[in-house]
Amino acid sequence: GDSVTQMEGPVTLSEEAFLTINCTYTATGYPSLFWYVQYPGEGLQLLLKATKADDKGSNKGFEATYRKETTSFHLEKGSVQVSDSAVYFCALKSQKLVFGQGTRLTINP
Amino acid sequence: GAVVSQHPSRVICKSGTSVKIECRSLDFQATTMFWYRQFPKQSLMLMATSNEGSKATYEQGVEKDKFLINHASLTLSTLTVTSAHPEDSSFYICSAGASGGLETQYFGPGTRLLVL
Repeated sequence: GDSVTQMEGPVTLSEEAFLTINCTYTATGYPSLFWYVQYPGEGLQLLLKATKADDKGSNKGFEATYRKETTSFHLEKGSVQVSDSAVYFCALKSQKLVFGQGTRLTINP
Repeated sequence: GAVVSQHPSRVICKSGTSVKIECRSLDFQATTMFWYRQFPKQSLMLMATSNEGSKATYEQGVEKDKFLINHASLTLSTLTVTSAHPEDSSFYICSAGASGGLETQYFGPGTRLLVL
């Protein structure tokens, strides 16, 4: 069945560091791909999405490009802030949303 | 954005008891609500999809008599874990669907259940 595998955390970085969280997927067909973020004490929120190959989703300085050839959708940000500390989930949409296991990111000042 | 609440946020219960978790959409009407379960360091797994006024649709491997779902109104869905056992200990998350597709789900903050 469809599945999502993402970088195992936790990830700890210093403020202004470059961030990459890897995500690869297995799916039949051409699913839409998503990144969700969960801040402490809150529900998951949609961060960005891409619906077809080579699309780039972006929001709040985060970017991810739908790479069909490598079945990947890695999340990147050029300069992280303390407020980016959260859990990040990669997901795909087929008949339902299929999530990765989440990556906890902590940014230190 | 739309807000979804869950109550309680944490619950500890004895084995054999039943636990009810509420999921409310606070500022919009949700015709569809979803219930997920997450084990430590694992993915969110969809348990069931519920539509207001009709029976929930359960994913393969989820016992419907164990996890009772009621979606009695457009703003409230409940999940009852019946005769809970320690293996039911988990993080339960609900989401409420608005128009715009599956990805337009607004998630609650989750409920951590510990069964002793």
